Amino acid sequence: DAGITQSPRHKVTETGTPVTLRCHQTENHRYMYWYRQDPGHGLRLIHYSYGVKDTDKGEVSDGYSVSRSKTEDFLLTLESATSSQTSVYFCAISESTLLRNYGYTFGSGTRLTVV
Amino acid sequence: GQQLNQSPQSMFIQEGEDVSMNCTSSSIFNTWLWYKQDPGEGPVLLIALYKAGELTSNGRLTAQFGITRKDSFLNISASIPSDVGIYFCAGPPGTASKLTFGTGTRLQVTL
Repeated sequence: DAGITQSPRHKVTETGTPVTLRCHQTENHRYMYWYRQDPGHGLRLIHYSYGVKDTDKGEVSDGYSVSRSKTEDFLLTLESATSSQTSVYFCAISESTLLRNYGYTFGSGTRLTVV
Repeated sequence: GQQLNQSPQSMFIQEGEDVSMNCTSSSIFNTWLWYKQDPGEGPVLLIALYKAGELTSNGRLTAQFGITRKDSFLNISASIPSDVGIYFCAGPPGTASKLTFGTGTRLQVTL
């Protein structure tokens, strides 16, 4: 019943190469988010989108870019991967930002290793 | 940036024990959420709190919205092996429209 899928689930890449992670949703939710999860830091927001072609930066956006050309897809690109970007990346969706709709639905994550 | 501090960082408990964990912030939150992350999966929403002092239960889980609006608490009663995972608090600081997540509490349950 997954309304949100991330691909790939695992990836190993070399330092300096570009990498794109994909988040796909079937819920038609307006808002989409990319977080990274690292030990001791919890989940930190990288970028988010509030509609097609409408995106904004989160707290750890350096070295990342995003694109949203369709409601259902939100792409995260590491322009030139570095070892500090080794992490687990989560995509999340939400229907609105209204007070009683703050429940995000998360994907299963992408484990990225930069060697 | 804003960070929510959770304690303890990790817990090892025996099946049947009760668990308490908390989350603190340096700024006021108007909503507190608690998520659980199973190994290899994304976080799943457990409980949402919207008013200072509010106490809300979901089965064996009970969460409270602190009176100061700068903290929240999660209790799990009579723990079972499937309670294993990482528990995150989260909330939108002030009038922000995005969620800030805590550092997480890792729970291990032994038989």
